[in-house]
Amino acid sequence: AQSVAQPEDQVNVAEGNPLTVKCTYSVSGNPYLFWYVQYPNRGLQFLLKYITGDNLVKGSYGFEAEFNKSQTSFHLKKPSALVSDSALYFCAVRENSNYQLIWGAGTKLIIKP
Amino acid sequence: EAGVTQFPSHSVIEKGQTVTLRCDPISGHDNLYWYRRVMGKEIKFLLHFVKESKQDESGMPNNRFLAERTGGTYSTLKVQPAELEDSGVYFCASSQDLRSEQYFGPGTRLTVT
Repeated sequence: AQSVAQPEDQVNVAEGNPLTVKCTYSVSGNPYLFWYVQYPNRGLQFLLKYITGDNLVKGSYGFEAEFNKSQTSFHLKKPSALVSDSALYFCAVRENSNYQLIWGAGTKLIIKP
Repeated sequence: EAGVTQFPSHSVIEKGQTVTLRCDPISGHDNLYWYRRVMGKEIKFLLHFVKESKQDESGMPNNRFLAERTGGTYSTLKVQPAELEDSGVYFCASSQDLRSEQYFGPGTRLTVT
């Protein structure tokens, strides 16, 4: 069965430091991988996706994610965190033959000044 | 370009009542999806429309839930009668095609008391 794991409920980072939000997945076919962000009282916003090609994917707001097939991971990263990055981050996956998004439980990212 | 919109933003109803949620997708997006996040848990897929046709409603929890997309434009999700466990945030998303990212609305927070 398809599944997504976000092992950290919350990640705390000081402003200016690099941040990583972890995601691992399990699918039987080739994965399509996504990161979404939810700011307080807002809907889900698309950040980036991996379909095929380069393992390092660049997205909105300076975020990037690295697809690692051997480790079945798709960690979200940013070199220098901003206080405004504080939000709830969701990793999602689907097989290339399917369209349902399977979601992780979400990771709350807190950036402290 | 307008994004995905949902109405209402918040609904509070009593157990046994009926509620209808509405989603207006991005213009030109044939694919429309409904998801639900129950408090503190993963976002779960409910169903998928392609134009006015239901492609997959495997995620619908039971027959108290009815989704429609007459004319292939906006969609409604009716819960009748509502139960306490239906409380959560209902998200709607749309995409241009199956390979594209899904764009989400702000969600409707449903509270059943």
